[in-house]
Amino acid sequence: DIQMTQSPSTLSASVGDRVTITCRASQSIDTWLAWYQQKPGKAPKILIYKASSLQSGVPSRFSGSGSGTEFTLTISSLQPEDFATYYCQEYKTYSRTFGQGTKVEIK
Amino acid sequence: EVQLVQSEVEVKKPAESLKISCKGSGYSFSSYWIGWVRQLPGKGLEWLGMIYPGDSETRYSPSFQGQVIMSADKAISTAYLQWSSLEASDSAVYYCVRSGPTYYHSVDVWGQGTTVTVSS
Repeated sequence: DIQMTQSPSTLSASVGDRVTITCRASQSIDTWLAWYQQKPGKAPKILIYKASSLQSGVPSRFSGSGSGTEFTLTISSLQPEDFATYYCQEYKTYSRTFGQGTKVEIK
Repeated sequence: EVQLVQSEVEVKKPAESLKISCKGSGYSFSSYWIGWVRQLPGKGLEWLGMIYPGDSETRYSPSFQGQVIMSADKAISTAYLQWSSLEASDSAVYYCVRSGPTYYHSVDVWGQGTTVTVSS
């Protein structure tokens, strides 16, 4: 199975900060990677697919990059509604493994 | 609007069976893979597997192969996840999700989740 490792597990930031979350795959997944945002008590929603493609309707302050085994999600200017938990997921294999999540907290 | 609507809260006893549902609307249900995701209380997301309603082809995550059964009835645009004998460790929120028409697609739509509680 492919392992997906996110860092950091928790991130404290202020409104307006630039935030970067990293996701590493244990083997190459090309660009078959998605990022999701989940708020407490809600279903996740997709932000980014194919490593860097912005899902329709998602604000442009979110961006993704990377290929192979290393990927990043960047929020260019953190907004109050962005405090949430973020997950990466590979979809190269049937296991469709998720990262363990990164919680973005208010500093 | 593309939607996945799931069955509501389920409370069961250990060893009981359970089948939860996920009804799709607003798109061609038969033509998109449907996946299932588990979230244990306070924990992250886990992929159980997926089914293609058009021909009921299934692809289980190795971690969940043999633990659950996925099925679909394309005539009523509904997918199912079932257990034959529940354990307390199956207590979680289960999401159905829409993936793409072919293999290499991410999830783009999530159901609202079904909370399953297994307790004696």
